[in-house]
Amino acid sequence: AQSVTQLGSHVSVSEGALVLLRCNYSSSVPPYLFWYVQYPNQGLQLLLKYTTGATLVKGINGFEAEFKKSETSFHLTKPSAHMSDAAEYFCAVSDQPNQGGKLIFGQGTELSVKP
Amino acid sequence: SAVISQKPSRDICQRGTSLTIQCQVDSQVTMMFWYRQQPGQSLTLIATANQGSEATYESGFVIDKFPISRPNLTFSTLTVSNMSPEDSSIYLCSLRVQGSDTQYFGPGTRLTVL
Repeated sequence: AQSVTQLGSHVSVSEGALVLLRCNYSSSVPPYLFWYVQYPNQGLQLLLKYTTGATLVKGINGFEAEFKKSETSFHLTKPSAHMSDAAEYFCAVSDQPNQGGKLIFGQGTELSVKP
Repeated sequence: SAVISQKPSRDICQRGTSLTIQCQVDSQVTMMFWYRQQPGQSLTLIATANQGSEATYESGFVIDKFPISRPNLTFSTLTVSNMSPEDSSIYLCSLRVQGSDTQYFGPGTRLTVL
């Protein structure tokens, strides 16, 4: 069975500081990994994804994540936080699409950005 | 990406009643899903909506409580039946387009049950 663990339900950074949101996964098959962002009172928006190939993936709004198989991790980073980055962030793992494509979500990390 | 709309966007309902949520997409998709997000929690998959046949439910969710229809490739409904305050959640529709490995989400329906 697949699972996702996000370390830290709340992360607070100062504007301009590094953002690091941690995600570890468990999967019996090569995983597809995703980061989604949820702004207040909105649905989920895809930030980035890893399926195959390059392990460092870049997404929207300056975010990137690196797939590390040896560490079973897919941490999300951004070099310099902006006030508009304040939101809830979800890491998710999926079976490969031809096996159902269901998403298993982590518990989420709420990011606060201080001026 | 695809455009997904949900109706209603929010509702306040009385205990014991039922609410049907609609999900409409702008392209013919392979798979549609319904998720629940309880207050302060992550998303949990309720079921996969299958076109022209019964939905596939996840453990802990049953058809009598959450009947789902998908009459065609671009439309699905989720009904929350015989509601109780514990059903207060955000319900989200998502889709995966044929040939894509990515799920896209609708804006959600925020349900409050009194």
